[in-house]
Amino acid sequence: GNSVTQMEGPVTLSEEAFLTINCTYTATGYPSLFWYVQYPGEGLQLLLKATKADDKGSNKGFEATYRKETTSFHLEKGSVQVSDSAVYFCALNNNDMRFGAGTRLTVKP
Amino acid sequence: DAGVIQSPRHEVTEMGQEVTLRCKPISGHNSLFWYRQTMMRGLELLIYFNNNVPIDDSGMPEDRFSAKMPNASFSTLKIQPSEPRDSAVYFCASSLEGRFGYTFGSGTRLTVV
Repeated sequence: GNSVTQMEGPVTLSEEAFLTINCTYTATGYPSLFWYVQYPGEGLQLLLKATKADDKGSNKGFEATYRKETTSFHLEKGSVQVSDSAVYFCALNNNDMRFGAGTRLTVKP
Repeated sequence: DAGVIQSPRHEVTEMGQEVTLRCKPISGHNSLFWYRQTMMRGLELLIYFNNNVPIDDSGMPEDRFSAKMPNASFSTLKIQPSEPRDSAVYFCASSLEGRFGYTFGSGTRLTVV
């Protein structure tokens, strides 16, 4: 079946540190891949997406590349800010959306 | 566009009472999803509709839960009778084509005491 496994948190970083949150997937066919972000008290917001292999999604300094050979879609940011503190969800869509468990990121000044 | 609108934002009710959660999807979106989020189980898909028709309700936990979508601009999720273990944040989301992503509402935080 279709599923997503993402790095367990929580992750705590200092401001301007490099961020990586790992995500791997299992799917038949050619799913679309997503990263969503959830700030406290809010719903999930689409952060970035990639719809086919080798596509790179990017937004607000975050990037993720759809790697079919490693079935991965790792989220990266070169320099995190305090305002990036949130929960990040990896997801795939292959007829329906499947979410990972979420990774809580805390960025300290 | 105002996005996906859910009401109420917060609901506190006593065990045994009926609870109705409401959702207005983005105009033009043809799919609507109800999710439940808890610390223990994360995000769970409860049910989804396509063109107002329920497609998959296998995630609805039990018969106490029911959902309707009488038209393209409105959906309800009802719990009757409610129980303390139903306490969670309930999200509604809509999409035009799922492969381009979903738009989520701000959620309804339900507390059953």
